[in-house]
Amino acid sequence: QLQLQGSGPGLVKPSETLSLTCTVTGGSISSSDYYWGWIRQPPGKGLEWIGSVYYGGNTYYNPSLKSRVTMSVDMSKNYFSLKLTSVTAADTAVYFCARHKFSGWYDWFDPWGQGTLVTVSS
Amino acid sequence: QSVLTQPPSVSAAPGQKVTISCSGSSSNIGNNFVSWYQQLPGTAPKLLIYDNNKRPSGIPDRFSGSKSGTSGSLGITGLQTGDEADYYCGTWDSSLSAVVFGGGTKLTVL
Repeated sequence: QLQLQGSGPGLVKPSETLSLTCTVTGGSISSSDYYWGWIRQPPGKGLEWIGSVYYGGNTYYNPSLKSRVTMSVDMSKNYFSLKLTSVTAADTAVYFCARHKFSGWYDWFDPWGQGTLVTVSS
Repeated sequence: QSVLTQPPSVSAAPGQKVTISCSGSSSNIGNNFVSWYQQLPGTAPKLLIYDNNKRPSGIPDRFSGSKSGTSGSLGITGLQTGDEADYYCGTWDSSLSAVVFGGGTKLTVL
C-alpha cells in the first residue's frame, strides 16, 4: 500500500527558505503514471495547490507561487522535495504531499501524506 | 476568493441525503474532470470521487458525484455522524494552468 510521509522543520524565520521532503513507501516514485504534488492549508482555511513534479523532472507550479518554488525528485531515495524561498507569515500552513494523477484535463490527488505544520515566525 | 465556489456549510439529519455544489467556469469544470475530497477534523484530505463520478476502491456507494456544464455536485445518502467533515472540490484550470480547489463545505449531521 502506497504511503507518503512528509518531514521538515516546523518553524522557519521570515525571509528564509522553507524546505520539506516527502518519502514514498510501498511504491516507486519513478512510476510513469503519476506526478507528485504539494498542497498547503493555512490554519482554518482551504486548500491551495503549490505544484507538482514528475520523476523525470518536469514541473507544474501555481503561478501565484512560481517565482519562489522549486520542486525536485530523488529517485535513489524515493522521495521528492519542496523549497519555498523568502517566506512570510502568510506561508504559515499545514503542507501536504500527495501522489498526483494528472493529464491536463483530469487530475486527482491520492493518497495524501499526514501533513506538516510549518510556522513562519522570528 | 476561490476559483471554484462551494456553499460554506450544509446540514442534514442522520439517514438523510445532502448535496454539495461546486460552481466554476468553462476554463475549469466546463472542460475538465472534477474530484472531491473529504477532510475529517485534524486529518489529511481523502479522495472520495475522481473523474466526475468515479469512486476509489473502499469508498462506499453512499457517495456519488456528477457534473453538468460548469458545475459539479457531491451527493451523500444515508448520512452518518462520521460523515461530519469538510468537503472540497478540485479540478484543473486551463486558463490559469493550475489545479484549483473550492473553498470547502462544512457538513454537519444534526
